[in-house]
Amino acid sequence: AQRVTQPEKLLSVFKGAPVELKCNYSYSGSPELFWYVQYSRQRLQLLLRHISRESIKGFTADLNKGETSFHLKKPFAQEEDSAMYYCALIKSYQLIWGAGTKLIIKP
Amino acid sequence: ETGVTQSPTHLIKTRGQQVTLRCSSQSGHNTVSWYQQALGQGPQFIFQYYREEENGRGNFPPRFSGLQFPNYSSELNVNALELDDSALYLCASSLSGGSSYNEQFFGPGTRLTVL
Repeated sequence: AQRVTQPEKLLSVFKGAPVELKCNYSYSGSPELFWYVQYSRQRLQLLLRHISRESIKGFTADLNKGETSFHLKKPFAQEEDSAMYYCALIKSYQLIWGAGTKLIIKP
Repeated sequence: ETGVTQSPTHLIKTRGQQVTLRCSSQSGHNTVSWYQQALGQGPQFIFQYYREEENGRGNFPPRFSGLQFPNYSSELNVNALELDDSALYLCASSLSGGSSYNEQFFGPGTRLTVL
């Protein structure tokens, strides 16, 4: 069965420190993966998708098919990065979501 | 350009009742997806509507039903409410449907509490 796992419910790091939000998936076939973000009092929004291979707000994510992972990374955390982050994969028309990781950036 | 809107913001119902949630899609979008998000969980796909037809459905019972109107707005109806239906219901709109993925734009959600 297709599944997305985010092992950390909460991640707290200091401003300026590197950040890595973990995401593992199970999927038979070639997955298409996404990271969504929800800032406080805002709605869910797309942060990045693996096929575009972009860096958004300093975040990058590389699809590792061998480890079935799609970890989100940023070399230097900023306070405005504090938010809820969700990893998701697409199966046909539907998104399958992880449970999310709350990222707190300490000043 | 208007974003996705949902109504009502909050709703309290009792077990066994029926509820209708509404979603107005973003201008120019023809596809609406509905999700249920329980506390502390990620969203779970309920179903998707594309050009007024159900385009796919997640693992939800038939008492969850929907509609899409000619203006692409949508309703989610839940009959015979159960306590476990308490959740945040999210609507997302996008352009086009089918198996290809186009970015979904989310509404603020409707918080449903079933007592």
